[in-house]
Amino acid sequence: GAVVSQHPSRVICKSGTSVKIECRSLDFQATTMFWYRQFPKQSLMLMATSNEGSKATYEQGVEKDKFLINHASLTLSTLTVTSAHPEDSSFYICSARHAHAGNTIYFGEGSWLTVV
Amino acid sequence: GNSVTQMEGPVTLSEEAFLTINCTYTATGYPSLFWYVQYPGEGLQLLLKATKADDKGSNKGFEATYRKETTSFHLEKGSVQVSDSAVYFCALETQGGSEKLVFGKGTKLTVNP
Repeated sequence: GAVVSQHPSRVICKSGTSVKIECRSLDFQATTMFWYRQFPKQSLMLMATSNEGSKATYEQGVEKDKFLINHASLTLSTLTVTSAHPEDSSFYICSARHAHAGNTIYFGEGSWLTVV
Repeated sequence: GNSVTQMEGPVTLSEEAFLTINCTYTATGYPSLFWYVQYPGEGLQLLLKATKADDKGSNKGFEATYRKETTSFHLEKGSVQVSDSAVYFCALETQGGSEKLVFGKGTKLTVNP
């Protein structure tokens, strides 16, 4: 079946640095990808909708300049957490909509970010 | 706004026991409803869905019926297996192609042999 892969699965970075998380659709083209954040024992919170070739659409309350999203190709979206702070430590999950499979949404494995 | 409330976990059952995970929702309009499952170390996978009232979604022995009158979409399975151990998420998507899924907090299920 369709696969969405995230990398890295775990990353530790220092406060003030930036870290990039990649989301790839391995066997289909995804014009739309989504980025979620999940706190322990909490729901997945949609951060932004990433559209290939255009700017991402951010949800209310999500800082655009802090969470940079790039969707430069039909198989890759990246989330860059800039000037990372310990409060940014979280589980980040991406998903991709497969337009040729009934618009089914496929999820990545998630990426654990720890900011120290 | 739109929201999903599902029963708090964790849930621990013995093999072949009956499973129910409750899910209720609040939404404007008529949403589509989903259950996703996340096995250890893997991404979320769509388990089943229902797009209108009284629809029943089913897959791998799991079932859920879209109940508009009680705004519920409870997940059930008659006889669970150890391999069903995972985290289960209830979610909704409002109609009209908003492409936004709203998730519940997830319920961790552990099935013991």
